[in-house]
Amino acid sequence: NAGVMQNPRHLVRRRGQEARLRCSPMKGHSHVYWYRQLPEEGLKFMVYLQKENIIDESGMPKERFSAEFPKEGPSILRIQQVVRGDSAAYFCASSPPWGRANTEAFFGQGTRLTVV
Amino acid sequence: KNQVEQSPQSLIILEGKNCTLQCNYTVSPFSNLRWYKQDTGRGPVSLTIMTFSENTKSNGRYTATLDADTKQSSLHITASQLSDSASYICVVSVYSGGGADGLTFGKGTHLIIQP
Repeated sequence: NAGVMQNPRHLVRRRGQEARLRCSPMKGHSHVYWYRQLPEEGLKFMVYLQKENIIDESGMPKERFSAEFPKEGPSILRIQQVVRGDSAAYFCASSPPWGRANTEAFFGQGTRLTVV
Repeated sequence: KNQVEQSPQSLIILEGKNCTLQCNYTVSPFSNLRWYKQDTGRGPVSLTIMTFSENTKSNGRYTATLDADTKQSSLHITASQLSDSASYICVVSVYSGGGADGLTFGKGTHLIIQP
C-alpha cells in the first residue's frame, strides 16, 4: 500500500497562473480531506470530499479555489489566478468510510506551493 | 466554537530527558483525540488515537493521556531522542452522526531536542 500520494511535491507559479494539486488516496479509501498550512501556522481544514461529492467545503475560500474527487483518478485542488498569499503547504488526507470512532486518517507529504 | 489549544508553543530539551506536551479542547460532541507528529517538510503521522472511554494509550516512548471531563490531553515523551525533534499536533474529532467526523487541529508544539 503506497500511502497517500500527493504531486507535485513542489510547485512554483507566477501570480495570475493556475495551480493544480493532486492527491491519490490510499487504496480502499473513499474519503479525502484537503488542508492548508501557512508558515508557522497549524493545519487549516479546507474541504472534505467523497467520490464525486463535496461533503463539506466550509474551509474553502469563496473565490478561485475548487476541489473535485472524480469517480476515477485522483482528487484535484485547483487554485485559479494565484496570488502571493496562496503560498503554503497543502496537505491531503484520506480515510475509509467513517464507521467507527477511531477510524484513522492518513496524510500525504504535501505540496508546497510558491507564488512568485 | 470548536477549538484546540496546545502548550507550550515551543520547547527545547536535552537528549535523554522527558517532556510533556499539553492539549486543551472545547469540541463537542467529542468523538476522539489524536496526536500527530509532523517532521519538517513532511505530512503528519499519527502517534495515538483515543476515544472517550480511553484514559491512556502508549506508542513506544510516547504516552498520551485523556481526561474527557476536563477536556485535556497530554503527550509524554520518555527518554527523548534527536529524532523526536518535530511539531506535535493535537487533533480532536467531532462526531457528526452522519459518518463525517470533523477534525479540529491545534497549532502544534514545536519540540527541539538538543544533543
